[in-house]
This record gives sequence, structure tokens and C-alpha cells, in this order.
Amino acid sequence: EVKLVESGGALVPPGGSLRLSCAGSGFPFNTYSMTWVRQAPGKGLEYISYITSSGTTVDYADSVRGRFTIFRDNGKNSVYLQMDSLRVDDTAVYYCVRERTAGSAPWGRGTRVTVSS
Amino acid sequence: SSELTQDPAVSVALGQTVTITCHGDSLSGYYASWYQQKPGQAPVLVLYNKNSRPSGIPERFSGASSGYTGSLTITGAQAEDEAVYYCASRDSAINQPPLFGGGTKLTVL
Repeated sequence: EVKLVESGGALVPPGGSLRLSCAGSGFPFNTYSMTWVRQAPGKGLEYISYITSSGTTVDYADSVRGRFTIFRDNGKNSVYLQMDSLRVDDTAVYYCVRERTAGSAPWGRGTRVTVSS
Repeated sequence: SSELTQDPAVSVALGQTVTITCHGDSLSGYYASWYQQKPGQAPVLVLYNKNSRPSGIPERFSGASSGYTGSLTITGAQAEDEAVYYCASRDSAINQPPLFGGGTKLTVL
């Protein structure tokens, strides 16, 4: 079974840091690009960050560029999102997604990040 | 960068046919993919490459594309189809991140 499992979500104060992890299984992890997508409460899907299979190319949404860092460890079948200088409007469920030309799938179940004092 | 535009809400009577549309410049070069999200759940891919369904997605889901518009059609909508549907595409070349529409809330009456 192809599966993605996120972890690391928590309640953090504004200005704090958090690292999210996503573990993949059931597929050759090192051959797929990966994406982080978030969803604020009651809102739509927002693309956050993307990394190619080798990790050599990364991309960020304007809303997180300079504060978030995406990286991966193919030896551990995992992708990470380092989030620094967190703001209240970063509060969301964060999803890890496998990228394919045939659509983004699967999605993990998500991990909740709450930024609040 | 490009945007994808969807109607915020659509309704359909049980058993009838409904089409959800998605408009954007990127759709002239890349087919939309479609995601279904039910409350409290992660999104699920229901269509890709214009009209291909992943394993397990019912045949009542179909897709089409014309110019700058992609569409998702549900033929014979069921109560379990009530969800938010998001379209997605890519801004330009391959190895680019996804671009999402704002989502359409489908209500089955």
C-alpha cells in the first residue's frame, strides 16, 4: 500500500519553530517529487513547498519563502518541512503529497500546526 | 503567477448530473486534475489527465477540457459525492509545483 504519514504538528507561539516530517512507504520514494500543502481552518488548499526527487530543486510559495525550508532524506524515505518565524496565519493542517504527472496522490492524513500565544 | 478559478458552490438533485468547472491560463497547456475532500478528511484524487480515474473512483466521475477550462462531471450524483472539489494544474513546465483552485462545495439535495 502506498502511504504517507505526517508528524510533528504542535501548538507553538508566534515566532517559534517547528519541523514537520513525512514518511513514505510502499513506493520507490527516491523517484518522486514531493509537495507540502496546507489548509487553514475553513479555507481551501494552499501550496507551500515542493522538492524534486533528488532534492536538487526546491520551490516555495511567496507566503513562506525565507521562513520555511524543505528537504528530504531518501535513505529514510522521508521529506521534512522546517518552519521558522511562525506566524498566527501559518495555523493550518499540513499535508504531504506525492507528485506525479498523473495527479498528486496519495495525500497523507495531515498534521495540525497551531500558532498561538 | 497563474490562478485557477472555480465557482464557490454548486448543488445537484440526487441522481442528477452536475458539472464543476475550473478556469485558468495554465489549463491551455496542462490538463486539470481533480480532488475530492470530505469534512475532516484529506483530499483524494478523483480525476487526472483530463479524464482518467484512479483505481476505486466510480465511473460516474468524468472529465473534459476545452481551451482554458477544465470540467468535472458527476453523472447520477450520490449522497456520498457531497464534498468540496478542488481542481489543480501546473503553472508551466514539468517539475513545477501544483496550482490549486479555490474549491467548489457540492451539495447533493
